[in-house]
Amino acid sequence: GQNIDQPTEMTATEGAIVQINCTYQTSGFNGLFWYQQHAGEAPTFLSYNVLDGLEEKGRFSSFLSRSKGYSYLLLKELQMKDSASYLCAVKDSNYQLIWGAGTKLIIKP
Amino acid sequence: IAGITQAPTSQILAAGRRMTLRCTQDMRHNAMYWYRQDLGLGLRLIHYSNTAGTTGKGEVPDGYSVSRANTDDFPLTLASAVPSQTSVYFCASSDEDDTGELFFGEGSRLTVL
Repeated sequence: GQNIDQPTEMTATEGAIVQINCTYQTSGFNGLFWYQQHAGEAPTFLSYNVLDGLEEKGRFSSFLSRSKGYSYLLLKELQMKDSASYLCAVKDSNYQLIWGAGTKLIIKP
Repeated sequence: IAGITQAPTSQILAAGRRMTLRCTQDMRHNAMYWYRQDLGLGLRLIHYSNTAGTTGKGEVPDGYSVSRANTDDFPLTLASAVPSQTSVYFCASSDEDDTGELFFGEGSRLTVL
């Protein structure tokens, strides 16, 4: 079966750095997405990786290793507004998105 | 403001009743999707449409139906609601010519009693 694993919950301190990991086992690979979802709101797009390596976008970076079936989202200079759930999703060989259950990130002052 | 609009935002429904969740987008995206989101689970695809006039079944299609008469609208119908259909429903669209990034509506919270 297809599976996306990410930690259920993480806690970090304002101003610090946090890394949220995602491992996947899917039938084929056509890209990996990270979305942010604040409580009670819709998911919003953060990043897309299709080749190995690091993609940097401001305070957020996303890394992909296709050989290891692994990605991480790195958040720097954490702000209180970064408290949210972070969803990892992989597009499989049929171009369908497989979603992880999400990681709830709690930021403490 | 361009985007996706869902209605209703929230609804309480008696079991056995018929319900249609509406979804409209003005981005001219070909692909549209309906997901449900339940606590502790990832987003699960109910139905999708790659282009107007075509629809397909996702991971959890039973008890739901969709139609795609035109590019903009993609309603989701529950023919006879059951309590297990209590969930938050998200409509989304994507421009498959790009990365395929999904744009989501604000969600419809449905409670079936």
